[in-house]
Amino acid sequence: QVQHVQSGAEVQKPGASVKVSCKASGYTFTNYGFTWVRQAPGQGLEWMGWISAHNGDTNYAQKFQGRVNMTTDTSSSTAYMELGNLRSDDTAVYYCARSPRRTAIGTFDSWGQGTLVTVSS
Amino acid sequence: EIVLTQSPGTLSLSTGERATLSCRASQSVSSRYLAWYQQKPGQAPRLLIYGVSSRAIGIPDRFSGSGSGTDFTLTISRLEPEDFAVYYCQQYSTSPLTFGGGTKVEIK
Repeated sequence: QVQHVQSGAEVQKPGASVKVSCKASGYTFTNYGFTWVRQAPGQGLEWMGWISAHNGDTNYAQKFQGRVNMTTDTSSSTAYMELGNLRSDDTAVYYCARSPRRTAIGTFDSWGQGTLVTVSS
Repeated sequence: EIVLTQSPGTLSLSTGERATLSCRASQSVSSRYLAWYQQKPGQAPRLLIYGVSSRAIGIPDRFSGSGSGTDFTLTISRLEPEDFAVYYCQQYSTSPLTFGGGTKVEIK
């Protein structure tokens, strides 16, 4: 069955970087893209950006431009999201979600379980 | 950026009642690119509705979506115990994709 397993919880200091992984299984990885969405404690959902697993195209939310880097590894069917220069307000659960292959414009039909990233000195 | 405003913030209802959730966009959502998700505590969101009114795979028919332009509605015809959760609308008409702030459906 379609499944996305994310890496475990992280605690990072302000100014550091974090890299979250999302391993896909149950379908052809390169037929899709991946969107990253985050959710601060007790808050709503925030779109961070998208990457195509087909050709590596990306579309980042302007808010994260320059701080976020999304990549994929087709050999291991894994998507990655790296966020740098962390601040306390980056504390959130980060989700990967399966998305269309060719465009960021779409819905998210299967999600990872989420990865809690805590930023604290 | 399209801002989505959901109302009410919280809906207190009993099992078997009808739930009507609203999502209003700051500008027209073109091509009917409006979706709804359900999120339960400690879980990832789950896609319920896409294209305003199409149910995702495995979603029961008590869930229905409607609307156009800037005003959209998610209706749950008869609430089941497992339907008490937070619901988010999402537009995918233009980048950046955006979500509403959510409506919590709680047991009265």
